[in-house]
Amino acid sequence: EVQLLESGGALVQPGGSLRLSCAASGFTFTTYAMTWVRQTPGKGLEWVSTLSGAGGTTYYADSVKGRFTISRDNSENTVYLQMNSLRAEDTAVYYCAKGFPVGTYLGAFDYWGPGTLVTVSS
Amino acid sequence: EIVLTQSPATLSLSPGERATLSCRASQSVSSYLAWYQQKPGQAPRLLIYDASKRATGIPARFSGSGSGTDFTLTISSLEPEDFALYYCQQRSNWPLTFGGGTKVEIK
Repeated sequence: EVQLLESGGALVQPGGSLRLSCAASGFTFTTYAMTWVRQTPGKGLEWVSTLSGAGGTTYYADSVKGRFTISRDNSENTVYLQMNSLRAEDTAVYYCAKGFPVGTYLGAFDYWGPGTLVTVSS
Repeated sequence: EIVLTQSPATLSLSPGERATLSCRASQSVSSYLAWYQQKPGQAPRLLIYDASKRATGIPARFSGSGSGTDFTLTISSLEPEDFALYYCQQRSNWPLTFGGGTKVEIK
C-alpha cells in the first residue's frame, strides 16, 4: 500500500525558514518523480516543485524559485522541501504527491499525503 | 502559464442525477488533463488522467472526455459520497496548473 506522510509544518515568522519532510512507502521510490503542492482557501491548489526520481532534475514555481529547495534521500525514501525567506503568502497546507505515470516529470498525482500546515505570521 | 477555467463554480444536484463539469484551457494541453476529487479535510484523489483514463479503483460512473482546450468530467449517477470539490490539472507544460474547482453540492 502506497503511503505518504508529511511533517514539519509549523508557525513561523516572516523571513524565517522551515524544512518539510515527506516519508514514502509502498512503492519503488527511486522510480517516481515527487512533487510538493500547496493549498490555500483563497488560491486553491498550487504546484510548488517537482524532483526527478534520481534527484538530478528540479522544477519550481516562479513564486518560490530562489527561496525553496526540493531534495530527496533515496536511501530513506524521503523527499524534503527547504523553505527560506518565508512570506505571509506562503501560508498553506503543503502536500507531497507521487508523480504518475512512471517515467515523466510532467505528471498527474496518483497518491497524496494528508498534508502539513505552514503558517507564516508574526 | 496555462490557465484552467472550471465551470460552473457550483453545481446543485440530487443523488441519482447526472453531473457534467467543464474545464477549459487557455491553450492546448493535448490530452494531458487530470481530474481530482477533494472532500473537506482530505487530500485530493486522482479520478481521471490523460483526459479519459480512470485511475485505479475509480468507479465506472466517473468518465472524462475532451482534448485540446475543452474537457468534461461526467458523473453518470451521483452517489451520496460524490458530493465534493472537483479540480482539473494540466500536465502539458511547466508550470503545472490546476483549475479553480467546481463544488458539487446536494440540492
